[in-house]
Amino acid sequence: NAGVTQTPKFRVLKTGQSMTLLCAQDMNHEYMYWYRQDPGMGLRLIHYSVGEGTTAKGEVPDGYNVSRLKKQNFLLGLESAAPSQTSVYFCASRPVATDTQYFGPGTRLTVL
Amino acid sequence: GESVGLHLPTLSVQEGDNSIINCAYSNSASDYFIWYKQESGKGPQFIIDIRSNMDKRQGQRVTVLLNKTVKHLSLQIAATQPGDSAVYFCAESYQGGSEKLVFGKGTKLTVNP
Repeated sequence: NAGVTQTPKFRVLKTGQSMTLLCAQDMNHEYMYWYRQDPGMGLRLIHYSVGEGTTAKGEVPDGYNVSRLKKQNFLLGLESAAPSQTSVYFCASRPVATDTQYFGPGTRLTVL
Repeated sequence: GESVGLHLPTLSVQEGDNSIINCAYSNSASDYFIWYKQESGKGPQFIIDIRSNMDKRQGQRVTVLLNKTVKHLSLQIAATQPGDSAVYFCAESYQGGSEKLVFGKGTKLTVNP
């Protein structure tokens, strides 16, 4: 049972490039979340999903898109990366029965 | 707006002492609170949670206290160890809040040997 995994662990992009971050969970959780964490700040919610095929905007959704085609995967896309998107991105999941979210190890993204 | 914040950004304690990390929240409708520990370079790790129908909950070496009157949450760590050094976040959510957690900015705990 790997829990929540994220791919890649590190990435450097140039302004304007696109990329997709992959989050996978093997706990059969219904809910999945994408957060960003900037220095000295807590986690801010980008997008989330309450089930396969559904997504919703969080606190800071601009510049990001997501997809939840399979229950176990939640993809975060950056269509045209900007330096302001330099951050550490965390994925989390949780079952319906509890409010406890379980986090992945994070992806450190740098946009030059 | 709704927010969860922390009183102190840093806390330094001696090994073996008890640590208390505080958190203030502003949404009186919040009914679920959770503490996470984040070590450098890692994702947040669940420590303990509490619902609004409780005032206190204990885990292994950790206790969470909830004071709804003043909207205050605290995490107590007994016999703090060097391995407890990390950033600690509180977060809140409420029924009807679309299953979202709102996080505070975190308190960095340093345990001195």
